[in-house]
Amino acid sequence: AQSVTQPDIHITVSEGASLELRCNYSYGATPYLFWYVQSPGQGLQLLLKYFSGDTLVQGIKGFEAEFKRSQSSFNLRKPSVHWSDAAEYFCAACGGGGYQKVTFGTGTKLQVIP
Amino acid sequence: DGGITQSPKYLFRKEGQNVTLSCEQNLNHDAMYWYRQDPGQGLRLIYYSQIVNDFQKGDIAEGYSVSREKKESFPLTVTSAQKNPTAFYLCASSNPQEVEAFFGQGTRLTVV
Repeated sequence: AQSVTQPDIHITVSEGASLELRCNYSYGATPYLFWYVQSPGQGLQLLLKYFSGDTLVQGIKGFEAEFKRSQSSFNLRKPSVHWSDAAEYFCAACGGGGYQKVTFGTGTKLQVIP
Repeated sequence: DGGITQSPKYLFRKEGQNVTLSCEQNLNHDAMYWYRQDPGQGLRLIYYSQIVNDFQKGDIAEGYSVSREKKESFPLTVTSAQKNPTAFYLCASSNPQEVEAFFGQGTRLTVV
């Protein structure tokens, strides 16, 4: 079955420290991959997406993600975290273009301490 | 500005009552979706629609109903048959060329 796994439920980092959020997927073929961010009580905002090509993807707010086919991973990174990055982050995947069903991970809640 | 509008932001309902959540988009997207979000469970798909007057069940459709009479609108009715309706509901839309979904701000439904 298709699945997206985010192994870390909560992560706490200090402001200014680097961040890596993990995401693993299980699909028959390489899926389209996404990272979304959600502030409390709000909708989801797209940070970045990967369809094909360069495996290092740049997104908004200084985030990037690297697709690693051999590890079935799509980890999200940021070199220096700001207090405003505290939110919940969701990794998602779908089987391709068109109206493919999107599968979401269970989310990683990021806490930033001063 | 283009976007997705969900209303109301907060909704309270008594047990045994049906309630309808509104979702409107002006992005000219063909597809629209309803998700339910519970703590620690991510987003689960309730219903989706790829075109006007057509919709399909998602993973957790029981106790919910939808309609798609207009391209811009995709209301969700939470019926009394839904055993545990208290949750955060998110509406989204997309086009096949862009693939990624655009989300509304959500409606928090509480059964009292």
